[in-house]
This record gives sequence, C-alpha cells and structure tokens, in this order.
Amino acid sequence: GENVEQHPSTLSVQEGDSAVIKCTYSDSASNYFPWYKQELGKRPQLIIDIRSNVGEKKDQRIAVTLNKTAKHFSLHITETQPEDSAVYFCAAGPGNAGNMLTFGGGTRLMVKP
Amino acid sequence: KAGVTQTPRYLIKTRGQQVTLSCSPISGHRSVSWYQQTPGQGLQFLFEYFSETQRNKGNFPGRFSGRQFSNSRSEMNVSTLELGDSALYLCASSQGAGELFFGEGSRLTVL
Repeated sequence: GENVEQHPSTLSVQEGDSAVIKCTYSDSASNYFPWYKQELGKRPQLIIDIRSNVGEKKDQRIAVTLNKTAKHFSLHITETQPEDSAVYFCAAGPGNAGNMLTFGGGTRLMVKP
Repeated sequence: KAGVTQTPRYLIKTRGQQVTLSCSPISGHRSVSWYQQTPGQGLQFLFEYFSETQRNKGNFPGRFSGRQFSNSRSEMNVSTLELGDSALYLCASSQGAGELFFGEGSRLTVL
C-alpha cells in the first residue's frame, strides 16, 4: 500500500519568514496530493491540493510543488503569520478512484510573533 | 449549507463493549469516509462509502465496520473494544473524489 513520509515533524519560524514542509510517497499510482491544516482541537481543513498532471499550484501565500518522478511534494508558506500556527498534514490518494487518502505524520508549525 | 455532523461527540466505553458512531454528510455529498486519528499513528483511513457501497477499505481488523444509508448518512461500528481503539474518529464527506470536508469528530475513550 501507499506510504507517506513527512518532514519535519516540528518547525518553528519567525513571523514573516517562509516555511517549507516536504513529503514523499511510495505508490506511483497516487495522483492526488492534498494538504490539510488542523488547528488545536479543530477539524482538518483543506488548504491546497494538486493533481499529478500539474507541477505547481499557488494560492496567495501558499504554494505546492510536485515531482512525480522523485515521488515528492512540498508545501511552501510565505510571509508566515501567527495564525498559520497549526499542524499540517500532507496526503496522497488515487484521485478519481476514491477518497482513500494516506496521510503523512504531520508537521507542527509554530510562527513566533 | 450545514457542515458534516458527527454524533456523539464524546463517549466512554469499557473493553469488550461495542460502539456505533454516526455521520451526516453535507447535503448532496455521496461519499463518506472515516478516519481514525491518534497521537501515535496519526490519521489512518478506515473505509469509504459511495452511494451505499463500500468503495475502499483500510487496513483495520474486521471489528471495524460501517455502512451508508440511502440518504448518504453513515455509521461505523467497532465491536469488542480494545484499549487501543481510543481515538478521535473523523468522518469526511465529498461530492465525488477530491476535497474532504471533515466533521468535528467523535472522541472515543476505552477504559
């Protein structure tokens, strides 16, 4: 089955700096890669996703890059703000074959004001 | 539009008992997935239902089961509870295959 590894497990940055979280996956059949943000005590919420036919996607301060050959994808957050502090999860899934997502272990991001 | 609703939000059971959790998806969503979240194992996929049929299944023992009704509402059942089943059980709905909308979760404690 699919295996997703996520690094780092914790990340502390100064407000205004950039943050980068990296994930690798094992199943070449995966073609959907979402990123979820989970604030303390709350539900995970999708912040950005990318499909295998795209190499990069941006949404304001957030961007995701995908390298299918190397089987890795990354989340980039620029100009970080204290409200970006949360746990971020990457995931990989089969896309149109269903919603069976394999999640990475999570990254606790702390943005210091 | 109402979000994904899970009940109960908290429950305490003892080993050997069974539990049923309920999930009402966002109106119009036909896919309902269940995930287990624990500090040690993270988020793990249990199963997915689409139009009352199990579409995908994760690597959990047969004590974990689920079903989906014609109105897309879903239930999951865990029989013969073990201490290790203590977790936050998250339900997520989707229109098809794509963005998952999670509920607040049902926090199960097994004593």
